[in-house]
Amino acid sequence: EVQLVESGGGLVQPGGSLRVSCAASGFAARSSDMSWVRQAPGKGLEWVSTIYSDGRTFYADSVKGRFTISRDNSRNTLYLQMHSLRAEDTALYFCARHYYESPVFYWYFGLWGRGTLVTVSS
Amino acid sequence: DIVVTQSPDSLAVSLGERATISCKSSQSVLYSSNNKNYLAWYQQKPGQPPKLLIYWASTRESGVPDRFSGSGSGTDFTLTISSLQAEDEALYFCQQYYSSCSFGQGTKLEIK
Repeated sequence: EVQLVESGGGLVQPGGSLRVSCAASGFAARSSDMSWVRQAPGKGLEWVSTIYSDGRTFYADSVKGRFTISRDNSRNTLYLQMHSLRAEDTALYFCARHYYESPVFYWYFGLWGRGTLVTVSS
Repeated sequence: DIVVTQSPDSLAVSLGERATISCKSSQSVLYSSNNKNYLAWYQQKPGQPPKLLIYWASTRESGVPDRFSGSGSGTDFTLTISSLQAEDEALYFCQQYYSSCSFGQGTKLEIK
């Protein structure tokens, strides 16, 4: 079955660090463009970061310099390393696969995980 | 950055009636080289991730009922549910993917 399963969320103090993971199954994450999208409680969706299949990475201004997206091809897993966390980073973090229409991946999302909750609070 | 704004923030519609949600982008998302509008619509139910409904402004994703339709071009777009069913009660988002991506703030659709 093609799916994405996030993990690693939790409670962290302001200024702290956390790494969330997204395990892909049924397809090779290394061959896909993948993103993290977050949703603050009761709020809308916010794009966070993207990694292309060729390794290029992109970040929202709100997280640039604090978050790092990466991929472990041997584990078929996507990561988001978060540093200097702030209260406003509190959200459900989804990973999502970009939609593929040969020969290009586009920046809309046909496959989502169920998310992992990150809470930044003292 | 392209700002995407939806209206209304919420609406209540009776079963079997038409529901219409508007989405406006701060600049055109029509790419002239392929004449495609880089605009998608998602449905999100409580406790679930978003589900892709429509892309390229008007192309329905496989498996999406044909009561859902998308229209518009350039900066103004509409999601229409032709005959509202109980299971359509949800949060709806539009998203532009012309430049990176950005989402509208969401529209909460309730059954009247």
